[in-house]
Amino acid sequence: DAGITQSPRHKVTETGTPVTLRCHQTENHRYMYWYRQDPGHGLRLIHYSYGVKDTDKGEVSDGYSVSRSKTEDFLLTLESATSSQTSVYFCATSRLGLAGASSTDTQYFGPGTRLTVL
Amino acid sequence: DAKTTQPPSMDCAEGRAANLPCNHSTISGNEYVYWYRQIHSQGPQYIIHGLKNNETNEMASLIITEDRKSSTLILPHATLRDTAVYYCIVRATGGGNKLTFGTGTQLKVEL
Repeated sequence: DAGITQSPRHKVTETGTPVTLRCHQTENHRYMYWYRQDPGHGLRLIHYSYGVKDTDKGEVSDGYSVSRSKTEDFLLTLESATSSQTSVYFCATSRLGLAGASSTDTQYFGPGTRLTVL
Repeated sequence: DAKTTQPPSMDCAEGRAANLPCNHSTISGNEYVYWYRQIHSQGPQYIIHGLKNNETNEMASLIITEDRKSSTLILPHATLRDTAVYYCIVRATGGGNKLTFGTGTQLKVEL
């Protein structure tokens, strides 16, 4: 498995405060992803990155921003945290093969960050 | 990406084979079937994937029907440590390599 770490692992914050979650990988994977997981919803994609400084939105991107200034780090920022953003956040990475019929890349997930917004 | 349908829960006796079904009737020709699992509070873990042929690895076997509209993940000798939520995901190749997770099947392996 890819060496993926997330920090912090747990965080409690108050509504309206900014929060940044960090994902760090040691595998030099090109793609990185942020998901959130809530009861009854499975995992939902927030944002993803396909290279340094290249990012795109997922299905639940409102209220979140991301940045990727280095291959190994992908930051998720909640500019002004709300209680609806209380969740478990997972980072994932993948080594993208060539796009096309033979591309069957695997995503590797980090251990997760449990965020509580009071 | 095609949607998938899985039973919400299943039970299996330890040592027996666990067969987890998945329906993906709208799957397209370029879409692969992926299986992941998530043990409580941990990040999802890749298990296996396939296109149209049956696949086997050290963790499991994947059986895909000839029309590709359904598949079955087989854990040949389930153990208590296989208790987890299992996700069947259909994903097209290329592009953003995004995975769309549903709510999966909660597999409970019991003594």
